[in-house]
Amino acid sequence: EAAVTQSPRNKVTVTGGNVTLSCRQTNSHNYMYWYRQDTGHGLRLIHYSYGAGNLQIGDVPDGYKATRTTQEDFFLLLELASPSQTSLYFCASSDGAQGEDTQYFGPGTRLLVL
Amino acid sequence: GDSVTQTEGLVTLTEGLPVMLNCTYQTIYSNPFLFWYVQHLNESPRLLLKSFTDNKRTEHQGFHATLHKSSSSFHLQKSSAQLSDSALYYCALSDGGNYKPTFGKGTSLVVHP
Repeated sequence: EAAVTQSPRNKVTVTGGNVTLSCRQTNSHNYMYWYRQDTGHGLRLIHYSYGAGNLQIGDVPDGYKATRTTQEDFFLLLELASPSQTSLYFCASSDGAQGEDTQYFGPGTRLLVL
Repeated sequence: GDSVTQTEGLVTLTEGLPVMLNCTYQTIYSNPFLFWYVQHLNESPRLLLKSFTDNKRTEHQGFHATLHKSSSSFHLQKSSAQLSDSALYYCALSDGGNYKPTFGKGTSLVVHP
């Protein structure tokens, strides 16, 4: 089964702070995704990538940057954090073979912006 | 763009009663993949079942769903709810074209004794 890890698991920062969330997958999946999960909104896609150096815009990208440095590593950057970005963030990966992209989720990172 | 609609935000059931969670979708792609993910409290979502084939029943862990392209539906069902089924359930769509999955807003299922 796919292994996706995230760090940190919990993060507290202040408004205007700089935050980097890390994600690593060890199954050679092509696709990686960043989601945020909020009550009443479900899972919303922020950014995704289909390989090192590639970045695709998701549905709620404002205020977020992302970078895929290797096939394994995908980072989410909040350069000027705001309280509205307080959320539970999930990273996911998928193989993408034959058009099927079952998502394998990491354990999540809880971010609190004060 | 693609969309997934889960009409119920919360479903509350008594143990032993049947479960049905609704999912409808919109896509211009003729061969979508449909998924159900389950997320238990303090866990991450994981795949429950998926389908690509029209009118074929898919089953896993006591749950089943059938993709009906004619009605753009993929409802999740179970014959008898268990307390352990209490969780958040997401329906999701992949159109296979751009690998950008679309999730519904989720249905929270609460099963009580």
